[in-house]
Formats: sequence, structure tokens, C-alpha cells
Amino acid sequence: NAGVTQTPKFRILKIGQSMTLQCTQDMNHNYMYWYRQDPGMGLKLIYYSVGAGITDKGEVPNGYNVSRSTTEDFPLRLELAAPSQTSVYFCASTLSRGQGGNEQFFGPGTRLTVL
Amino acid sequence: DAKTTQPPSMDCAEGRAANLPCNHSTISGNEYVYWYRQIHSQGPQYIIHGLKNNETNEMASLIITEDRKSSTLILPHATLRDTAVYYCIVRVGGGSNYKLTFGKGTLLTVNP
Repeated sequence: NAGVTQTPKFRILKIGQSMTLQCTQDMNHNYMYWYRQDPGMGLKLIYYSVGAGITDKGEVPNGYNVSRSTTEDFPLRLELAAPSQTSVYFCASTLSRGQGGNEQFFGPGTRLTVL
Repeated sequence: DAKTTQPPSMDCAEGRAANLPCNHSTISGNEYVYWYRQIHSQGPQYIIHGLKNNETNEMASLIITEDRKSSTLILPHATLRDTAVYYCIVRVGGGSNYKLTFGKGTLLTVNP
């Protein structure tokens, strides 16, 4: 299994541009997540999905959109890039198993700079 | 989810045990304690989790106090590759809530 893959690894955007960060997992996980991590800080949840066709907001959803048309893919869309969105973005997935806890598998991250 | 408190940084000598503490005094009965780590610039990596009992796997041991208000992650023989930020997270297991809330964690530096 490749696990969780993210593309691109790096990207520089100009203010006002838009882009889509791609995330794919091949573990047949039903739950997927997008986090951002600013320098020296912990991760903050942007959006998550509990299955195809179902998404919900996390802590910091403003300026982002997501969709989940398949189990494998969970793209994150930035419509009007702003300098405040300069960050490292991590995608994660997990398989819900009811009670008992579970681990999240993280991708390698996308480093985004908005100038 | 309960709030956690961790020291911002710790040092450990290579080959020695690293003991990372975490306080979670407001933990409720159905909340699990999770540990993740993040090696520089990489995505976080799951280490271990537990509810009440002590847990051990190939990476580490998790010791939870009887009152569950604190826990300790133990890396039995730390190596240089264990240098990372370690996050202690408390959350409910199961149901529809699998979201993780990350704080700033503890930067563990393993010295040769």
C-alpha cells in the first residue's frame, strides 16, 4: 500500500490565485481529514469527511472548500489565496471501528507559500 | 476533548529511556489517551493509545495513572531517530468523533 499520498509537495501562489491540493489513500479508509500546521504550532483541523459525499467543517474552515466524491480522494480547494494561508497542509485518513480508538495515517504534507 | 499539558522540551541521552509526561486532569471516563510524534517536516506518526490499562507495542509503552489524570510515554532505548515533537492527545474513541486536536507537544532531543 502507498498509504496516504499528497500532491504537490511544494507550491508558491500569488495572492488571489486558486489551487487544489490533492489527497489519495489506498487503505479503504472511510474517514479523511485536512489539517494545517503553521510554523512552531500544532496541527489545526480544516475539514473532515466520514465517507463519500459527506463533509464537515473543522476548527479553521474559512477560505477552503472540500469534496469527497470517492472513498479514495479528498481534495482541498483554495479559492482566493491569502498570505495567511501560507502553511504546511497534511491529509490524514482512518478506518472507524466503533469503540476502542483508532490511529490516523498522515500523508507527507504540502508546503504552500502565498506571496 | 480534555485539555492536555506537556513540557515544551526535553533532552535524553542515546540508549537511555525517554519518559515523556502528559497531564490531562479533566479527562472523562470514555476518553482515550493518544500519542503521536512528528519528525521534522514529516507528517505525524501514530505511536500508541490507551484507556485505563498500561499499553506496550513495538515502539513504546504508555503508563496511565490510576486516576487517569496523567500519563507517561516511555521510549525504552532512545535513538537519534527518535528526536521529534511528541503530542499527547485526549479524545473520545468511537462514534463519529475521530477528530484529533493537536497542541504544541514536547520537543524531544536525543543526544549522542
